[in-house]
Amino acid sequence: DVKVTQSSRYLVKRTGEKVFLECVQDMDHENMFWYRQDPGLGLRLIYFSYDVKMKEKGDIPEGYSVSREKKERFSLILESASTNQTSMYLCASSSTTRSVEQYFGPGTRLTVT
Amino acid sequence: GDSVTQMEGPVTLSEEAFLTINCTYTATGYPSLFWYVQYPGEGLQLLLKATKADDKGSNKGFEATYRKETTSFHLEKGSVQVSDSAVYFCALRGFQKLVFGTGTRLLVSP
Repeated sequence: DVKVTQSSRYLVKRTGEKVFLECVQDMDHENMFWYRQDPGLGLRLIYFSYDVKMKEKGDIPEGYSVSREKKERFSLILESASTNQTSMYLCASSSTTRSVEQYFGPGTRLTVT
Repeated sequence: GDSVTQMEGPVTLSEEAFLTINCTYTATGYPSLFWYVQYPGEGLQLLLKATKADDKGSNKGFEATYRKETTSFHLEKGSVQVSDSAVYFCALRGFQKLVFGTGTRLLVSP
């Protein structure tokens, strides 16, 4: 079974802090994604990556950056957290060749106070 | 650009009732279509998919048919259970990414 894990289920940070959200997948997938999920807005793509050290902006990249130093790990960074970044963050991965399906992690609920 | 429109929820049903959750899409060409489900406290998991027109995806008693003429992919189940209570997301595969609808919450009471 594909497994996508995220470093924290719940996180509380203060405004202005630098925040790291980590995601690891164990299926050797080429593609990895970061979404945020908000009520009434569904899932919105923040960043994605098709290969190590590659990144592409999604629909709402402002205020975020990402890092992919190893194939299995994709990190989302909030350089200076703000209250409007309070949200559920979901990581996903997929294979370029085997399937179009994306596999999701359990999510990190981030609260910025 | 590509987009997905789902019916707003919540949808409230009694156990064993028939379920329909509407989904329509706008896209260039004929994208693959998906239904994902999110149970409370969990991430999303793929429920079913269809990759071309007239395909029917099915899983766990749920079905959806890819209708090119109406650009729709409605989710149906003949008899819902309390355990089906969750949020359901319709999605399409656009260029380089999935495009999701806003989600529909389903609440099933005993």
